[in-house]
Amino acid sequence: KQEVTQIPAALSVPEGENLVLNCSFTDSAIYNLQWFRQDPGKGLTSLLLIQSSQREQTSGRLNASLDKSSGRSTLYIAASQPGDSATYLCAVRGMDSSYKLIFGSGTRLLVRP
Amino acid sequence: EADIYQTPRYLVIGTGKKITLECSQTMGHDKMYWYQQDPGMELHLIHYSYGVNSTEKGDLSSESTVSRIRTEHFPLTLESARPSHTSQYLCASSDPGTANTGELFFGEGSRLTVL
Repeated sequence: KQEVTQIPAALSVPEGENLVLNCSFTDSAIYNLQWFRQDPGKGLTSLLLIQSSQREQTSGRLNASLDKSSGRSTLYIAASQPGDSATYLCAVRGMDSSYKLIFGSGTRLLVRP
Repeated sequence: EADIYQTPRYLVIGTGKKITLECSQTMGHDKMYWYQQDPGMELHLIHYSYGVNSTEKGDLSSESTVSRIRTEHFPLTLESARPSHTSQYLCASSDPGTANTGELFFGEGSRLTVL
């Protein structure tokens, strides 16, 4: 059974720092991995989607990498801003046909001005 | 930008009432999902659908039911709400089979409180 773990559970950094959020998964047979952002009381916003054949994806100040063999993904945020404060979730989709995602418990990020 | 809408955003009701949470998407997505999330906790899949007239139970047992009569519409119903149903319910859909990237798009969520 696929399990997804995110470390750290919470992170507080000063504005301007570069930071890395980690996601690990137990079954390397994945179809894709998706990173989301969730603001308090809101839904999830898709940030980056990495297919199993890809190594990384970039969008603006965000870069996500995928290493299937080691069961790891990282989300790199460059030059963090207070507006980046949110919970960041990673989710993996397995190789079956259900399209179901298994979510990690998230990393709560606070960027201090 | 995803076009998936949930209503109501917030609902406070008494025990025993029947409620329906609405979810609609205008992207033509075949696959739709309902996730349940307690504050500060993980998301758990409670229902999903491959398309019209298709509904499946998710990984977390739920007393709610769903229907998929139209592609764009995937409502969730609780026949008799209880305080244990208090939670946030998130609806999602994924892109068409021809694109097949499997990217998931979420609505804003419906926060349900049962007194």
